[in-house]
Amino acid sequence: GEDVEQSLFLSVREGDSSVINCTYTDSSSTYLYWYKQEPGAGLQLLTYIFSNMDMKQDQRLTVLLNKKDKHLSLRIADTQTGDSAIYFCAERGTGFQKLVFGTGTRLLVSP
Amino acid sequence: EPEVTQTPSHQVTQMGQEVILRCVPISNHLYFYWYRQILGQKVEFLVSFYNNEISEKSEIFDDQFSVERPDGSNFTLKIRSTKLEDSAMYFCASTGTGANSPLHFGNGTRLTVT
Repeated sequence: GEDVEQSLFLSVREGDSSVINCTYTDSSSTYLYWYKQEPGAGLQLLTYIFSNMDMKQDQRLTVLLNKKDKHLSLRIADTQTGDSAIYFCAERGTGFQKLVFGTGTRLLVSP
Repeated sequence: EPEVTQTPSHQVTQMGQEVILRCVPISNHLYFYWYRQILGQKVEFLVSFYNNEISEKSEIFDDQFSVERPDGSNFTLKIRSTKLEDSAMYFCASTGTGANSPLHFGNGTRLTVT
């Protein structure tokens, strides 16, 4: 079955770059997503990448995809204290199949 | 920007009671989903729904769970006889007609079973 893994915790200083990593097992994954969850809040879609792309940039966010190694990363440039949250990687097959979420990475940004 | 709305934001119920969690998906979306997140754990898929029927369901979605789209706007999740282990955050999501349309989530309903 599908499995998505992430490191549990990342701590950075304000202004540094953060890199959150994710690995997945389903080779038929078509789309890969990053969601952000602030404490007590819902799941906010940050960005997503199609499996035939290597990279996608959206303002401070850069997504890198290594399809061969089934590895996805999210880089946040100039990390701010407001970026402190849990970041979930998720993968999805074709059509309208369900999202499968990773375990989530808790990002803590200190001043 | 259109959004998925869920009510109530927090529901407390006693074990054995029935609960109905409500969702209003984005208006032109056709695919609907329920997920749950037990405190501190990962987000787990429960069920997907399209064209007035269940498309896929997980092992969690047993006979105690049901979903319904009673009218053109609401999408509900019913738990017939709640158990302590049903305590979790329940998220509704919807997606549009394009194959690359991402899932948009509501803010969730926190269900506490006592």
